Amino acid sequence: DTGVSQNPRHKITKRGQNVTFRCDPISEHNRLYWYRQTLGQGPEFLTYFQNEAQLEKSRLLSDRFSAERPKGSFSTLEIQRTEQGDSAMYLCASSLVVYNEQFFGPGTRLTVL
Amino acid sequence: AQTVTQSQPEMSVQEAETVTLSCTYDTSESDYYLFWYKQPPSRQMILVIRQEAYKQQNATENRFSVNFQKAAKSFSLKISDSQLGDAAMYFCAYRSYDMRFGAGTRLTVKP
Repeated sequence: DTGVSQNPRHKITKRGQNVTFRCDPISEHNRLYWYRQTLGQGPEFLTYFQNEAQLEKSRLLSDRFSAERPKGSFSTLEIQRTEQGDSAMYLCASSLVVYNEQFFGPGTRLTVL
Repeated sequence: AQTVTQSQPEMSVQEAETVTLSCTYDTSESDYYLFWYKQPPSRQMILVIRQEAYKQQNATENRFSVNFQKAAKSFSLKISDSQLGDAAMYFCAYRSYDMRFGAGTRLTVKP
């Protein structure tokens, strides 16, 4: 395991469809974070997990967004009823403890047509 | 709420020269961390340097150093002996409870 991986790397979908992204963190990292990055902007924090517990989800953009980390390892981010405004790069990051460096994955680029 | 401001959307530096990227932040907290991340085109974001707010000494990592002014809430990044591989988007980030990023500075390195 050499880093954080995300799948798929690219996703094109039609408006109204549901999409799910997966993030596999570095294996010993107990914290996992999701961000959204739009063109020309820095990453925007969405939610994070410590092990399997979702400790912050108020920053999820709407109730169409949800995330899970059922076994404290990989995580999924789901967007229901996608809208064109959801088009962005979705980044995942993991860290060992709260103030340690976050290691970022390559991201999943979502395009909603 | 904490905000992070990078006032330079773009910067340019000649190879081997020095460049400084600016960052200011707003917070009422006393315990936090500050970071500079680098995002090369179409590549993953990687950590450049980290500063703990309780440390007065400025962090240094090889050619990268910061000027941390806690009272002024300023956290600038200095890149010495710039190399072509330094060309990237640079993001300043603040972390206490969660991580907040600035909008980024695009650095171009001219040969």
